[in-house]
Amino acid sequence: EVQLVESGGGLVQPGGSLRLSCAASEFTFENYWMSWVRQAPGKGLEWVATIKEDGSEKYYVDSVKGRFTISRDNAKNSLFLQMNSLGAEDSAVYHCARGAGPYWGQGTPVTVSS
Amino acid sequence: DVVMTQSPLSLPVTLGQPASISCRSSQRLVHPDGNTYLSWFQQRPGQSPRRLIYKASNRDSGVPDRFSGSGSGTDFTLKISRVEAEDVGIYYCMQHTHWPWTFGQGTKVEIK
Repeated sequence: EVQLVESGGGLVQPGGSLRLSCAASEFTFENYWMSWVRQAPGKGLEWVATIKEDGSEKYYVDSVKGRFTISRDNAKNSLFLQMNSLGAEDSAVYHCARGAGPYWGQGTPVTVSS
Repeated sequence: DVVMTQSPLSLPVTLGQPASISCRSSQRLVHPDGNTYLSWFQQRPGQSPRRLIYKASNRDSGVPDRFSGSGSGTDFTLKISRVEAEDVGIYYCMQHTHWPWTFGQGTKVEIK
């Protein structure tokens, strides 16, 4: 069964940084686009970023461009999201998903607060 | 950006009765490859989203056949033929034809 397990979330001060990780298993990771999607408390879903199988293409929602970087390590079946210059508006549960979402992780919460 | 507009935003339903959710996009969702990348997701309380429908009308594996998706161009519909208690949750449409990918606001389905 496909598994996606996120980690790296937590409490961070405004302006700070966090690096989220997603460990993938039970599928050939290098063959799939991968995404990050977030959900602020009590709010809807927001797509954040997607990366191509080989990392050669990356796409971001405008609100995170220049601050967030999606990357992957196919040898380690891992997806990452480097988040810099965090603001309160970035507080959310961050899910990794395979491509456009047949499989999702449980998510890791990020809280930006002083 | 493509704006996805769902209606209604709240849908009280009677058990065993049908339900229908509309999703309209601000641009046509036909990709140059000919596919329409419109998906429907269910999010039960306290759970991660689960995809129900992909490419507008294809049911994911394990999804009960009471769920169906239809539509084309800019107008799409998710139908539940007979609502069951386990269908309570929030339903989202999402397009991934155009960058950035975008979700609808969500429709909350509850039992009357």
